[in-house]
Amino acid sequence: DTEVTQTPKHLVMGMTNKKSLKCEQHMGHRAMYWYKQKAKKPPELMFVYSYEKLSINESVPSRFSPECPNSSLLNLHLHALQPEDSALYLCASSQGQGLNEKLFFGSGTQLSVL
Amino acid sequence: QQPVQSPQAVILREGEDAVINCSSSKALYSVHWYRQKHGEAPVFLMILLKGGEQKGHEKISASFNEKKQQSSLYLTASQLSYSGTYFCGKGMRFGAGTRLTVKP
Repeated sequence: DTEVTQTPKHLVMGMTNKKSLKCEQHMGHRAMYWYKQKAKKPPELMFVYSYEKLSINESVPSRFSPECPNSSLLNLHLHALQPEDSALYLCASSQGQGLNEKLFFGSGTQLSVL
Repeated sequence: QQPVQSPQAVILREGEDAVINCSSSKALYSVHWYRQKHGEAPVFLMILLKGGEQKGHEKISASFNEKKQQSSLYLTASQLSYSGTYFCGKGMRFGAGTRLTVKP
């Protein structure tokens, strides 16, 4: 199994809602990532978990809250988002967190904030 | 900290060749290349780990000049399936991307 599975594929939420994005991988990878991608832009790193511990937070606003319950799962909890947070949210995983690690991406969650 | 890519966009006819460049103002010890087709996730193409190293994926190859802190991606005899946005990566961070369109 070489897949990274993200759910839901699409999400529409209001600015007062609370929602969660889910990411799962069964490749035994120990590093997992959240990226935000706006149209015609590159994926922008948000968070990195290594061995289930948060290792990188790219100064992301606190309305985004990551969680790594176990080595296969990664969640992104969303609360009080703004319309400018509308984007494609990509999850990725890799064997480790080194600079030479190959990233496997999920197909993403397209988020719209109204 | 992100690498710089050029050109921003390329339009080709099937069978034509293209080169995409990636450079960094800081030390570049390895370079990753990914392709993202419209509406899909980025897919890993190759990683170059040593200066001068060249690798290939289908008819796509890449070189890495560690001293010049740059890498180039070569697309030879392009096919329609090569269309997409190509990103070079420095670890987990990506350049702005090069949008490649191959027309019949």
